[in-house]
Amino acid sequence: RKEVEQDPGPFNVPEGATVAFNCTYSNSASQSFFWYRQDCRKEPKLLMSVYSSGNEDGRFTAQLNRASQYISLLIRDSKLSDSATYLCVVNSGGATNKLIFGTGTLLAVQP
Amino acid sequence: NAGVTQTPKFQVLKTGQSMTLQCAQDMNHEYMSWYRQDPGMGLRLIHYSVGAGITDQGEVPNGYNVSRSTTEDFPLRLLSAAPSQTSVYFCASSPGGPGTQYFGPGTRLLVL
Repeated sequence: RKEVEQDPGPFNVPEGATVAFNCTYSNSASQSFFWYRQDCRKEPKLLMSVYSSGNEDGRFTAQLNRASQYISLLIRDSKLSDSATYLCVVNSGGATNKLIFGTGTLLAVQP
Repeated sequence: NAGVTQTPKFQVLKTGQSMTLQCAQDMNHEYMSWYRQDPGMGLRLIHYSVGAGITDQGEVPNGYNVSRSTTEDFPLRLLSAAPSQTSVYFCASSPGGPGTQYFGPGTRLLVL
């Protein structure tokens, strides 16, 4: 089982739609969680951290469920510019303290 | 600030050749790391450094060496290139620990 699992997609949605991505992680000791965005043939960039109480940044909402070990990202009112791959990232915590990256979910927003 | 810079952008090597991928950051970050990204796989950690003079292995260190003589620079050396090292390589830095990382633009490497 992969340490961080995501649905690879692609998710094809029209402009203005709401879309949600889920991610599961296997290490219950994981301590911090992030969503990164990666445009085609570009480097990953931090989109947002994910906090236990859930957090929002404009049209983006991230949620964490520690009991079920999953993380979600909700994008409201999708824009063409949201088209990208979204990477779920987990800090393994403990002695290793390293980031574990999911393979990413591809979002294509259609006009 | 330039952020994290990487050179070269593209490189073609023959099997057995050696080369160094350069990475530099101007943000005075202590933590730096090297990842490789392959189709269908998440970014995988090769080596990392928590400060000048300190390096450690990541998930896939075989065939690669690193050094950290200054805070700014963190070069990655391929000792004897193999086709399995064909990949996109990203360098990243972080102000404290591996959490919020700033990535360089990447180096696309093809080993024939």
